[in-house]
Amino acid sequence: NAGVTQTPKFQVLKTGQSMTLQCAQDMNHEYMSWYRQDPGMGLRLIHYSVGAGITDQGEVPNGYNVSRSTTEDFPLRLLSAAPSQTSVYFCASSYSPSGADTQYFGPGTRLTVL
Amino acid sequence: GQQLNQSPQSMFIQEGEDVSMNCTSSSIFNTWLWYKQDPGEGPVLLIALYKAGELTSNGRLTAQFGITRKDSFLNISASIPSDVGIYFCAGRRNTGTASKLTFGTGTRLQVTL
Repeated sequence: NAGVTQTPKFQVLKTGQSMTLQCAQDMNHEYMSWYRQDPGMGLRLIHYSVGAGITDQGEVPNGYNVSRSTTEDFPLRLLSAAPSQTSVYFCASSYSPSGADTQYFGPGTRLTVL
Repeated sequence: GQQLNQSPQSMFIQEGEDVSMNCTSSSIFNTWLWYKQDPGEGPVLLIALYKAGELTSNGRLTAQFGITRKDSFLNISASIPSDVGIYFCAGRRNTGTASKLTFGTGTRLQVTL
């Protein structure tokens, strides 16, 4: 198993550009989520999904869109990047739809918005 | 949004020393989790606590779920260089169909030989 994979590892955008951060897992996990990590802060939940076709907002959803067309993939879209979205983004997955068991994290995507 | 208060923010210790860190919240959580993050990597789960008062060990790591359900503690005994990293606590509160994690601000641990 590759576990949770994220691409790209690094990305630099200009303000107003759009992009999609990719996340995939090969563990047949129902629950997937996106977090952002800023210096001196813990991880904050952006969006999550309890299964294909079902997504919901987390703590900091503004400026981000998600979709879940398959169990394996959970992409995060930035429609119009802003400097405030400079951060490290982590995708996580777990077997339980409630996310109640162990969450496995990907290696992260480091995004800089100029 | 809520963030858990984690202390200390950073620690410099010598190899072989014991380490203690804690996490406090103004809200009650059903589960407390402790993660470690190495540079350039995602967090990895160390210990999960499911019941108030529970004390759980994983090798040299011991964690406790506070009686009030508003705090948790992590101890590392006889630290070694590979313990270096950032340690995060996280609280989980089950709401509806999906539970959500609230993370602490992290404790950066550095170990000197």
